[in-house]
Amino acid sequence: DVKVTQSSRYLVKRTGEKVFLECVQDMDHENMFWYRQDPGLGLRLIYFSYDVKMKEKGDIPEGYSVSREKKERFSLILESASTNQTSMYLCASSPGGPETQYFGPGTRLLVL
Amino acid sequence: GQNIDQPTEMTATEGAIVQINCTYQTSGFNGLFWYQQHAGEAPTFLSYNVLDGLEEKGRFSSFLSRSKGYSYLLLKELQMKDSASYLCAVRDAQGTPLVFGKGTRLSVIA
Repeated sequence: DVKVTQSSRYLVKRTGEKVFLECVQDMDHENMFWYRQDPGLGLRLIYFSYDVKMKEKGDIPEGYSVSREKKERFSLILESASTNQTSMYLCASSPGGPETQYFGPGTRLLVL
Repeated sequence: GQNIDQPTEMTATEGAIVQINCTYQTSGFNGLFWYQQHAGEAPTFLSYNVLDGLEEKGRFSSFLSRSKGYSYLLLKELQMKDSASYLCAVRDAQGTPLVFGKGTRLSVIA
């Protein structure tokens, strides 16, 4: 079974704080993704990575950065959290090729 | 640009059949995926179509017409536990991220 884990299910932070969201997958997948999901807007891609130390911007990268130092771990960083970054954050991974993406359980982040 | 459309909400009765439609306009096509997402949980993979036609998997079937940019998810013998959001997603080229529709929230009533 594919397993994608995220460091926290729920997180509360203050405006201006630096926030780290961690994602780990145990299936040796090349590709990893970060999405945010908001009511009425669906899943929107923030960043993705095809390989270690590689990153690509998605549709809404502003205010975020990522790090992929090891193949199994993909971190999302909010450099200075703002209230409009309150959201559900979902990490996903996939092997190369046509296979589907597998999602982690999500982190619900509240920025006060 | 990429655009994926699906109805926002649907309601159906326990034991019935429901069809959730999805239309897409993307720059390329390398597969269409359906996911189920219960409230507060992560999306889970349901089905994958890359060729035209119907793929059946138990109570769930998914259909694809590439020439029409159209897919549907068919759920038979509806159960209360099928109440969830159903997400349509398209991959426009091999290895690229999926592009998701906004999801269809299905309510199954007794």
